[in-house]
Amino acid sequence: GAVVSQHPSWVICKSGTSVKIECRSLDFQATTMFWYRQFPKQSLMLMATSNEGSKATYEQGVEKDKFLINHASLTLSTLTVTSAHPEDSSFYICSAEDRDNEQFFGPGTRLTVL
Amino acid sequence: AQTVTQSQPEMSVQEAETVTLSCTYDTSENNYYLFWYKQPPSRQMILVIRQEAYKQQNATENRFSVNFQKAAKSFSLKISDSQLGDTAMYFCALSSGTYKYIFGTGTRLKVLA
Repeated sequence: GAVVSQHPSWVICKSGTSVKIECRSLDFQATTMFWYRQFPKQSLMLMATSNEGSKATYEQGVEKDKFLINHASLTLSTLTVTSAHPEDSSFYICSAEDRDNEQFFGPGTRLTVL
Repeated sequence: AQTVTQSQPEMSVQEAETVTLSCTYDTSENNYYLFWYKQPPSRQMILVIRQEAYKQQNATENRFSVNFQKAAKSFSLKISDSQLGDTAMYFCALSSGTYKYIFGTGTRLKVLA
């Protein structure tokens, strides 16, 4: 099956700094990628839809200036958490959609903001 | 708006037995997809099974099958011959052209030896 990678798998940063998370589709091209957030023992919540070559579409309640998304190529989307605060600590998961509208998920990135 | 409801927060089943996880949904779309995903402790989301709404035949994947009742907006997952490796969180999800991937709150399944 298709493989999606995320880097880093975990990151610890100080409050006020920015953190970039990469999401790559390794063996297929994805015009659309998605970013999710998952709190402990909770479900996945869609944050934004990332479209290659255009601006991301953010879900209601998600601050676009805080969670910057860039989808510069058909295999790479990045999520930058700007001026991170402890409440941004969470598990972030990306997924990439193939031509059959099937999503393949990355392994996730655990962000801890001190 | 779309909603997905999983009313069973936790379930357990004896190894080799059969278990059914329930899921109900609501959507105003005519064309949509339904999914069951498994999230083991590693937290990697794994697609278990997928159902196109326009297909009446229930999807099956080896030991996993669904009971898709479109009129009732129900989409349950049956796991036969449960194995210890089936222990995980299971999420039901709905996707359509307008609304991308809404997940249910999940059911934690524990398979007992």
